[in-house]
Amino acid sequence: SQQGEEDPQALSIQEGENATMNCSYKTSINNLQWYRQNSGRGLVHLILIRSNEREKHSGRLRVTLDTSKKSSSLLITASRAADTASYFCAPDFHSGGYQKVTFGIGTKLQVIP
Amino acid sequence: DTEVTQTPKHLVMGMTNKKSLKCEQHMGHRAMYWYKQKAKKPPELMFVYSYEKLSINESVPSRFSPECPNSSLLNLHLHALQPEDSALYLCASSQETENTEAFFGQGTRLTVV
Repeated sequence: SQQGEEDPQALSIQEGENATMNCSYKTSINNLQWYRQNSGRGLVHLILIRSNEREKHSGRLRVTLDTSKKSSSLLITASRAADTASYFCAPDFHSGGYQKVTFGIGTKLQVIP
Repeated sequence: DTEVTQTPKHLVMGMTNKKSLKCEQHMGHRAMYWYKQKAKKPPELMFVYSYEKLSINESVPSRFSPECPNSSLLNLHLHALQPEDSALYLCASSQETENTEAFFGQGTRLTVV
């Protein structure tokens, strides 16, 4: 399978704590994206990190990418109850010039107020 | 306008019905996608359109027929579906065909009875 695999599959933390989610994949990528999905709704794009980048920040989000280990992590700092959602990594694999964004199984994050 | 709009939001259809899902974006994006998401599973890529041409078909059964009438519209025609096809169908678009974030619609919740 070309999709990413997230770890852990479920995470429960107290508001204010940091949440770290990991993603591993198997083949070379163009980039890796992280998305968030509230229950039963569409996905919201969080961050895109390119294969030649190692770290990227956006507000309370920090994403790292280690292409040698084929892994990425998403850190949410100072979590809030509103961060409760499922988070997916989406490696974009080389596919003949077309973007083929495929999703891992996701991490279900619960932030307890 | 940074939205991808999908209609209808909910659809119930019988196994002998013919229906269509619609997706629209006015961001000038050149790539559009259909995904299928079953409960508690990640979205699965079905089709990719690039510059209004079908570029990726992930071995989707012929009872699902995509159509891209113009650069802003993407349809998914449904015919002779099975109850196991019940799922959330998500449309997405991206600026280019590689290395760009995908914007998702809120999805159509399809129930086949």
